[in-house]
Amino acid sequence: GQSLEQPSEVTAVEGAIVQINCTYQTSGFYGLSWYQQHDGGAPTFLSYNALDGLEETGRFSSFLSRSDSYGYLLLQELQMKDSASYFCAVRDGGGNTPLVFGKGTRLSVIA
Amino acid sequence: NAGVTQTPKFQVLKTGQSMTLQCAQDMNHEYMSWYRQDPGMGLRLIHYSVGAGITDQGEVPNGYNVSRSTTEDFPLRLLSAAPSQTSVYFCASIPILALNTGELFFGEGSRLTVL
Repeated sequence: GQSLEQPSEVTAVEGAIVQINCTYQTSGFYGLSWYQQHDGGAPTFLSYNALDGLEETGRFSSFLSRSDSYGYLLLQELQMKDSASYFCAVRDGGGNTPLVFGKGTRLSVIA
Repeated sequence: NAGVTQTPKFQVLKTGQSMTLQCAQDMNHEYMSWYRQDPGMGLRLIHYSVGAGITDQGEVPNGYNVSRSTTEDFPLRLLSAAPSQTSVYFCASIPILALNTGELFFGEGSRLTVL
């Protein structure tokens, strides 16, 4: 089985930087993904890390440390539209193993 | 391309009624899956399929049936709805060979209320 832990809520100020952490426990590991979901909307893919290190995509970056079973999503230059829920997800096996999601972190960006 | 299409978007059922949530994708994705989302619980996998004629159970399969007769369609059936099945249901798909990218394509969701 697998389990993922992430904070339930985070609040940050517009223009600031926020980090959302995710720790996981899996029997195997085949990558850590991040998704964004606005209220009433569908989850949308943000990033994927299979190897240790930082992946940058515009204002968003994602980091992975496989030895620590830990990753984070970093959002820079926060905007009000970044207020949403963010989910980390893992696969603990190869082949057709499905994606399992954490419970999500609700980010509130305030002025 | 329409992507992943779910119908209906909203549905109210009475306890004991049956219904089918439809999911169709036009991207020729082999892998399709159903998740339910409840407040504070994240997305929990109900069933998934890696191709026509092949289905498997996820984390919370009880009370739900699926079938995969074509690549395009993956309907989710509730045989006897219960209030505990009140939730938002998401269908998601991806090409099998891209599964290791972690990028699922989600439908817009179906909001189900069971009274």
